[in-house]
Amino acid sequence: EADIYQTPRYLVIGTGKKITLECSQTMGHDKMYWYQQDPGMELHLIHYSYGVNSTEKGDLSSESTVSRIRTEHFPLTLESARPSHTSQYLCASSLTGTNEKLFFGSGTQLSVL
Amino acid sequence: RKEVEQDPGPFNVPEGATVAFNCTYSNSASQSFFWYRQDCRKEPKLLMSVYSSGNEDGRFTAQLNRASQYISLLIRDSKLSDSATYLCVVHNYGQNFVFGPGTRLSVLP
Repeated sequence: EADIYQTPRYLVIGTGKKITLECSQTMGHDKMYWYQQDPGMELHLIHYSYGVNSTEKGDLSSESTVSRIRTEHFPLTLESARPSHTSQYLCASSLTGTNEKLFFGSGTQLSVL
Repeated sequence: RKEVEQDPGPFNVPEGATVAFNCTYSNSASQSFFWYRQDCRKEPKLLMSVYSSGNEDGRFTAQLNRASQYISLLIRDSKLSDSATYLCVVHNYGQNFVFGPGTRLSVLP
């Protein structure tokens, strides 16, 4: 089992609220990622980090921001949530190497009313 | 054209059937290949890596053809619990993982 944790599992919140989705991993992985996925649709990479103090935007434009102050922690923040942000957010991590594999957390299902 | 493409699906098969999924990738420099399984509203989970010589894990067999840039997954003796979306994933060292759109499998009683 992968040791990568996301909280909360489900979040229902009103428009305009600031939210932070938490993601932590205890595997010492240097790389961490955030994906967004709507039901029945493809995964889209929205942010990634190759190490502490390194963050990059992914393939899909997102109004969210991320930070990587500690290796194990990669939170995602939405300053002002909107209904269009309703989606599943999946955090993942990997360890750089020739046998690199990607492991996912259980996801946060966000609903913005 | 997408970097990783898969059979569009869905595949609806009876229990006990053998089913094969195909995947093609466009980046010839890709080095690592995987099949992930994703259940409805759950996270993707690594099913198996795919090696050049082909590899087997129980009822699952994965094959890679680097010359044709083609990956396959064969599931023998399908079980109801095999119903899921199967994601083909490609990785190049130093770059991000690239996911295919997935192929949905429904195994029917």
